[in-house]
Amino acid sequence: DAGVTQSPTHLIKTRGQQVTLRCSPKSGHDTVSWYQQALGQGPQFIFQYYEEEERQRGNFPDRFSGHQFPNYSSELNVNALLLGDSALYLCASSLETGLTEAFFGQGTRLTVV
Amino acid sequence: KQEVTQIPAALSVPEGENLVLNCSFTDSAIYNLQWFRQDPGKGLTSLLLIQSSQREQTSGRLNASLDKSSGRSTLYIAASQPGDSATYLCAVRHASGGSYIPTFGRGTSLIVHP
Repeated sequence: DAGVTQSPTHLIKTRGQQVTLRCSPKSGHDTVSWYQQALGQGPQFIFQYYEEEERQRGNFPDRFSGHQFPNYSSELNVNALLLGDSALYLCASSLETGLTEAFFGQGTRLTVV
Repeated sequence: KQEVTQIPAALSVPEGENLVLNCSFTDSAIYNLQWFRQDPGKGLTSLLLIQSSQREQTSGRLNASLDKSSGRSTLYIAASQPGDSATYLCAVRHASGGSYIPTFGRGTSLIVHP
């Protein structure tokens, strides 16, 4: 059983560009959450998707958007990249009830130059 | 707003020591608390999940306790090994607008030297 998989693992973009990160949840999970983790910090919640809709959003600007597909996989899009967007982006999957373990992928390291 | 604090921020110990990592949270109305391990530049690996109705969970050399009323959890690592070196994060999950969003602490960076 594959766990949570994210692609790509590393990415370098130029300021002002747009980026798309991808996540496939653990088999059987229907909820996907995205986090941004700056160096030395805990993960910060970006948003959560369930039934192909954004259900909850953290304190991130509209430049951050996402999508969930019928197979529960998800994408995170960031427009007009800033240097400050450089971070490790983590995807987590869980069941909608929220009472089970959340499983995380290995993350995508985004560097904006 | 839920706030999660982890103490200490960093810890360096010789191999074989028993360790206690602390996690405190401000809102005791939680559904569960989960401990994770993170190796440098990597994703999070789940260690233990404690539901709000539970007092502790054990897995191998790891034991996590939860005191919801006082807003505290501890992760106990027995007989530490160099392979335990990593950052340990706790996350509490509470209801917010009908969803269950984990709030993370900043982690405890652990180094176990031979």
